[in-house]
Amino acid sequence: GAVVSQHPSWVICKSGTSVKIECRSLDFQATTMFWYRQFPKQSLMLMATSNEGSKATYEQGVEKDKFLINHASLTLSTLTVTSAHPEDSSFYICSASSTGELFFGEGSRLTVL
Amino acid sequence: AQSVTQLDSHVSVSEGTPVLLRCNYSSSYSPSLFWYVQHPNKGLQLLLKYTSAATLVKGINGFEAEFKKSETSFHLTKPSAHMSDAAEYFCVVSERLGTDKLIFGTGTRLQVFP
Repeated sequence: GAVVSQHPSWVICKSGTSVKIECRSLDFQATTMFWYRQFPKQSLMLMATSNEGSKATYEQGVEKDKFLINHASLTLSTLTVTSAHPEDSSFYICSASSTGELFFGEGSRLTVL
Repeated sequence: AQSVTQLDSHVSVSEGTPVLLRCNYSSSYSPSLFWYVQHPNKGLQLLLKYTSAATLVKGINGFEAEFKKSETSFHLTKPSAHMSDAAEYFCVVSERLGTDKLIFGTGTRLQVFP
């Protein structure tokens, strides 16, 4: 199947800094990618839909100025957590669609100290 | 609005015994339903999906699920559990027809004892 790659797989940062997470579709083009957040031992919550060449669509309750999404090419979407705080610590997962099936990245674990 | 309810947060079975993970859905239309598996600190892998074709859906690793409209259920089963099946399982429904936006259940953690 298609491959979606996330980088970094884990990152530790200090409070107040910004962190960028990349989501790449390795062998297909994705006009739409999705970003999810997963708290420990909880389900995935959709944060936003990333659209190539246009603004992302954020779900209710997600701060768009806090979680900046850029989808500049058909194979790359980035999520930047700005001015990160400990409550932003979470597992972030992206997904992209290929031939009618959604493929998920392996996730990026963010720990904010 | 569409939703899924996973009835058990934890399920424990012995290796070689059957697995049943329960899921009920709520949808205003004929839904697309999925089961995903997540191993620790890993991304999600699609086990199987139902998209209004056959009601009994066979997936990977010996898993299958049956869509029962009368019971609004989509339970996941496997005849014989393997140690490697220990993971988190998510029942998922698509938010709207023809969309890739997914709504996840709260997950069921499957433990397999030797």
